[in-house]
Amino acid sequence: DAGVIQSPRHEVTEMGQEVTLRCKPISGHDYLFWYRQTMMRGLELLIYFNNNVPIDDSGMPEDRFSAKMPNASFSTLKIQPSEPRDSAVYFCASSFAGFQETQYFGPGTRLLVL
Amino acid sequence: DQQVKQNSPSLSVQEGRISILNCDYTNSMFDYFLWYKKYPAEGPTFLISISSIKDKNEDGRFTVFLNKSAKHLSLHIVPSQPGDSAVYFCAAVRTTSGTYKYIFGTGTRLKVLA
Repeated sequence: DAGVIQSPRHEVTEMGQEVTLRCKPISGHDYLFWYRQTMMRGLELLIYFNNNVPIDDSGMPEDRFSAKMPNASFSTLKIQPSEPRDSAVYFCASSFAGFQETQYFGPGTRLLVL
Repeated sequence: DQQVKQNSPSLSVQEGRISILNCDYTNSMFDYFLWYKKYPAEGPTFLISISSIKDKNEDGRFTVFLNKSAKHLSLHIVPSQPGDSAVYFCAAVRTTSGTYKYIFGTGTRLKVLA
C-alpha cells in the first residue's frame, strides 16, 4: 500500500484566498484524522471521521475551517478565507479501527498564507 | 490549557547511552498514551503505546513507563542510535461518550551523537 497520500505537499497563498487540502487514507481504514502542527502548539487534532461520518470536530479552530469525506478514499480540509495565522503543517492520518489502533500519518501539507 | 506537556524541547545523548523522554499530563481520565517519532518533512510514525491500566510496556529498544500518581509518562530508548534522532511526541487519548480526544504534546527533539 502507498500509505496515506496528501496533496499538495506545499501551498503558498495570499490572505483571503480559499485553500483546499486533500487526503487519501490507507485502503480499508475506517478512521481518518486531520491534524495541524505549529511550533507553538505542537500537533492538534482538528477533526476525525469514522466510516466517512464526522465524529468530533471540536478541534476545528473557526468556522473558516471545514472538512468533508464524501467517500472512504477521499477527504478534504478547506480554509475559507485563509489568514496568515493558518500557516502550519497539516497532516492527515488514518487507522483501521478504534483509538487503540496505530494511526498512519501522511507526509503533510505545508501551508503558508501571506 | 496544555493538558499534555513535554517540558524539554530538546535532548542530546551519546550513541549507545539511554535516552529518556518525558511527558506530563494533567487529566487523570486519559485511557491510553502513545509515543510518535517524526523525521523532518515526514509525518509522525507510531512507536509504542500503553494503556492507563498498565505501568510499563516494552518493545525492543523502546520502553514506556507510566506513573499515574505523578501523571507522568516516559520513553526510554536503550541503546540510543544516531537513527533515533528525531522529534518525539507523546499523546494522550480520552474516550468521552463514544468519541475520542487525542491530545499531543509539543514534542522533544532528540539528537543522538555518534
